[in-house]
Amino acid sequence: DQQVKQNSPSLSVQEGRISILNCDYTNSMFDYFLWYKKYPAEGPTFLISISSIKDKNEDGRFTVFLNKSAKHLSLHIVPSQPGDSAVYFCAALNNNAGNMLTFGGGTRLMVKP
Amino acid sequence: DGGITQSPKYLFRKEGQNVTLSCEQNLNHDAMYWYRQDPGQGLRLIYYSQIVNDFQKGDIAEGYSVSREKKESFPLTVTSAQKNPTAFYLCASSMAHHNYGYTFGSGTRLTVV
Repeated sequence: DQQVKQNSPSLSVQEGRISILNCDYTNSMFDYFLWYKKYPAEGPTFLISISSIKDKNEDGRFTVFLNKSAKHLSLHIVPSQPGDSAVYFCAALNNNAGNMLTFGGGTRLMVKP
Repeated sequence: DGGITQSPKYLFRKEGQNVTLSCEQNLNHDAMYWYRQDPGQGLRLIYYSQIVNDFQKGDIAEGYSVSREKKESFPLTVTSAQKNPTAFYLCASSMAHHNYGYTFGSGTRLTVV
């Protein structure tokens, strides 16, 4: 049973436009959500996170939105740049269950020049 | 300069051989994890350890073994019992009960020849 799902395996956008990556979850006990970015043959790197008590967190070109009632979060990248082309993983954390992250399957973002 | 180091970057193994992947961290993190990534797939948890001398199976532990004799080190052995070992292996570490998620290593690409 996948508790964190990224239903779009890939996304293609034009440089300068907005990229929106989506993530759905089923476990209402998750209290922290994170996005990781991964280039081929490298380890994922932390991008941005949001606590379940907030609905928005912004860091430069990256904004994460959380809709708890819909159990949905999204990562917005604006403006998108070719260097943003990577695989993005959504992850969720339940602090009452230790520090184990549950990952989504990832979305491959391709930003075209 | 703190970080998590995986070695080697590329590894080739003959069928029927065991091979050990190294993972070392100097971040003073309590917990360490091993993940496997196959092409077009997400991250699947193999083993994790929340404390020295203790470790737990993840979702796909069959054919793998680990040890955690030191806080800094969490080597993964891919045994001959692992039916399809060719993959990209990622090691990660984290503080216990921390909202910053994981720090990942740069990965090891294992190929069975």
